[in-house]
Amino acid sequence: QSALTQPPSVSGSPGQSVTISCTGTSSDVGSYNSVSWYQQPPGTAPKLIIFDVSNRPSGVPDRFSGSKSGNTASLTISGLQAEDEADYYCSSYTSSNTYVFGTGTKVTVV
Amino acid sequence: QVLLQESGPGLVTPSGTLSLTCTVSGGSISISNWWSWVRQSPGKGLEWIGQIYLGGSNDYNPSLKSRVTISVDKSKSQFSLNLNSVTAADTAIYYCAKHRGFGFDIWGQGTMVTVSS
Repeated sequence: QSALTQPPSVSGSPGQSVTISCTGTSSDVGSYNSVSWYQQPPGTAPKLIIFDVSNRPSGVPDRFSGSKSGNTASLTISGLQAEDEADYYCSSYTSSNTYVFGTGTKVTVV
Repeated sequence: QVLLQESGPGLVTPSGTLSLTCTVSGGSISISNWWSWVRQSPGKGLEWIGQIYLGGSNDYNPSLKSRVTISVDKSKSQFSLNLNSVTAADTAIYYCAKHRGFGFDIWGQGTMVTVSS
């Protein structure tokens, strides 16, 4: 299985919105509402911020939102804050009953 | 609050077997039916290794399937990872994680495993 494709980096100014794409295939992203997103600051374990495409766990700010269209999922961070600087990964369940992660995106607040 | 803690040797010799255990505390392992292992090579992205269903079934990453076994001991609230025939390419931080829906909502802090002689 191939990793899902994400842009290597995105950047924005405080208060702006940024969107990270996550492109897969009809065998993973396009098959189920099973995309999740993780935030990983340097040296820490990943943190779940979106599950099942658009659901936020309790405690995650509503600045984070997820969506999906066809084989591409997206994570939008609205009102970007300095604390949002981190690596972000998407993940999807696949038709082979496995999971696959994205290549990762570094978010920089300039 | 459920917490996960990985444990096991930090150094494994090439061609040997990497063995790690994840201990679930603060709640029953039955809080979720599915549990996974994920790894991250230094400076690289996340790689899903495999999952175990408390009812006894497993699914593994096709690229690792021939070398991986994940098992569970519900009486100890633990699940384990065995990866055999390791090489330097298996050097990574290994995380255990609890499933929520199709996501992983609770992660251990991770344990660094180095493959070297």
